Amino acid sequence: NAGVTQTPKFRVLKTGQSMTLLCAQDMNHEYMYWYRQDPGMGLRLIHYSVGEGTTAKGEVPDGYNVSRLKKQNFLLGLESAAPSQTSVYFCASSYDDSLAAWDTQYFGPGTRLTVL
Amino acid sequence: ILNVEQSPQSLHVQEGDSTNFTCSFPSSNFYALHWYRWETAKSPEALFVMTLNGDEKKKGRISATLNTKEGYSYLYIKGSQPEDSATYLCAFMAGANNLFFGTGTRLTVIP
Repeated sequence: NAGVTQTPKFRVLKTGQSMTLLCAQDMNHEYMYWYRQDPGMGLRLIHYSVGEGTTAKGEVPDGYNVSRLKKQNFLLGLESAAPSQTSVYFCASSYDDSLAAWDTQYFGPGTRLTVL
Repeated sequence: ILNVEQSPQSLHVQEGDSTNFTCSFPSSNFYALHWYRWETAKSPEALFVMTLNGDEKKKGRISATLNTKEGYSYLYIKGSQPEDSATYLCAFMAGANNLFFGTGTRLTVIP
């Protein structure tokens, strides 16, 4: 199992450009999450999904959109990037039939995004 | 937004010393408390998930306790080794889907 993978690993954007970050998991997990990590702050939840076709807002959703068209993939979109979105983005997944909904989250390796 | 606080922010210990850190969280709407270990240039890896007041979990030299009534959890490392150097994150779960992370305790173990 590859676990949770993220594409790309690094990206530099100019203000106003758009891009999509891809998260994929092969653990048959129901729940998937997008976090951002900024210096001096804990991981903050952007959006999450509790199953294919569902999405919900987290703590810091503004400026981002997400889609979960397939169970194994969770996409994070930036329609018009801003310098405030410079961050490291982590995807995570959790919960299959053998686990409880409150159980461990498995994290991807992160995507470092810089917006100039 | 829920406040999850970890202390200390950073810690240097000598190899062989035992150490502990604190995670404080709201005592209401408790669902679960997670501990993760995060090494530089890697992704967070789960250590423990605790759900019941009084829970104690252990993995090798690392253990954790939970007090949901007063809103704190302790993480203990016995006989610290250089490979224990990492940031230790706790995260409070107020519902099945919402995990609120602290900013972590950065541990450096000096050989």
